[in-house]
Amino acid sequence: QVHLEESGPGLVKPSGALSLTCGVSGASINSPNWWTWVRQPPGQGLEWIGEIYHSGSTNYNPSLESRVTISVDKSKNQFSLNLRSVTAADTAVYYCARVSHDIAATIALDQWGQGTLVTVSS
Amino acid sequence: QTVVTQEPSLTVSPGGTVTLTCASSTGAVTSGFYPNWFQQKPGQAPRSLIHSTDYKHSWTPARFSGSLLGGKAVLTLSDVRPEDEADYYCLLYLGGAQLGVFGGGTKLTVL
Repeated sequence: QVHLEESGPGLVKPSGALSLTCGVSGASINSPNWWTWVRQPPGQGLEWIGEIYHSGSTNYNPSLESRVTISVDKSKNQFSLNLRSVTAADTAVYYCARVSHDIAATIALDQWGQGTLVTVSS
Repeated sequence: QTVVTQEPSLTVSPGGTVTLTCASSTGAVTSGFYPNWFQQKPGQAPRSLIHSTDYKHSWTPARFSGSLLGGKAVLTLSDVRPEDEADYYCLLYLGGAQLGVFGGGTKLTVL
């Protein structure tokens, strides 16, 4: 059974950097899947942040691309999110998820972490 | 910037059928957008229901189905139950599947 779990500080100061890690168990991060970050501001909808493949290839949301880096640590079977120069607008629940390509020519965000709330405040 | 549009809210009676749609500002939604549908209940993470237009997961109830109609991705709920009350989000992949864009979500009320 695949399990994803987000971890990291719940409070970040404005202009600082938000760093989160997603630990993966029950599946190898080296599998032919992408791994993605999604966020949800309180009371609002979902926003796709970006994704990474185990090779290190990444795709980012253009609206965040100048501030975001997603990386992978194969030795720890985890991937990470770094968001720089944060403001209150970055306050959100951050989710990590697996982007499965188990069936040819399909894309499915099939496994999600429970999410972690990050508040940007001084 | 591409905008993905969903109905903000819908109401359906128990036992009824409801259709949720997902449109792209770039034009007609096709299977190449790999439409995904998620259900989210308060305080919970989203749960995938449908992927790649009409594929179901092993956990997807049979009363949920996905399709394309009139240039939009469509999620149809049949024989709606009270526990289907939730927010529903669609996700489209653009730019050769290198950019994901969520719709604003539909709040479904079962009343």
